[in-house]
Amino acid sequence: AQKITQTQPGMFVQEKEAVTLDCTYDTSDPSYGLFWYKQPSSGEMIFLIYQGSYDQQNATEGRYSLNFQKARKSANLVISASQLGDSAMYFCAMRAPWHGGATNKLIFGTGTLLAVQP
Amino acid sequence: ETGVTQTPRHLVMGMTNKKSLKCEQHLGHNAMYWYKQSAKKPLELMFVYNFKEQTENNSVPSRFSPECPNSSHLFLHLHTLQPEDSALYLCASSQEVGGRGGSTETQYFGPGTRLLVL
Repeated sequence: AQKITQTQPGMFVQEKEAVTLDCTYDTSDPSYGLFWYKQPSSGEMIFLIYQGSYDQQNATEGRYSLNFQKARKSANLVISASQLGDSAMYFCAMRAPWHGGATNKLIFGTGTLLAVQP
Repeated sequence: ETGVTQTPRHLVMGMTNKKSLKCEQHLGHNAMYWYKQSAKKPLELMFVYNFKEQTENNSVPSRFSPECPNSSHLFLHLHTLQPEDSALYLCASSQEVGGRGGSTETQYFGPGTRLLVL
């Protein structure tokens, strides 16, 4: 069964420091995609970064990078130089084929609440 | 308007009411989704429309009825809801090309509708 696990319900980080949010996944499909989304208190899910299962290099997007360790089935999000506006819920998600159909679905973890302290 | 919009942003309804949630995407995508986000639970996929055809109904009760009149609009019709249906309802869209799970199609979300059923 496909599953995403985020073991950190909440985390604190000091402004300007780096923080790592953990994500492990489970799938038997060799082709999959991993996503991170940010959800501020307003509710909107904001796409941050994507990593494909066949990508050789770790994805980076500005201050976000994804530490992809395929053998360990982990896809941790690293946020460098934290800012107060980074305070939000962060969700890891995996894209896997749904019933073998053309439309793929996202499987989400339970999220990590990040609080950036001044 | 850009991205994915949802109306209303907040909704309070009684168990005997009938209401509808509206989603509109301005991204030219061909697939749209309804998700439910309840407190302390991962996001749950409810419905998927691909090229206006409903491709999946993820065992959702019949009191939720989706409608997709065209590839830009998606509705969720609500009737005789229960208090446990209170949640954040998120709409998303993506451009599906029929690839496997490792394809890069990203789902972009709207701001959600916060629903309270009394």
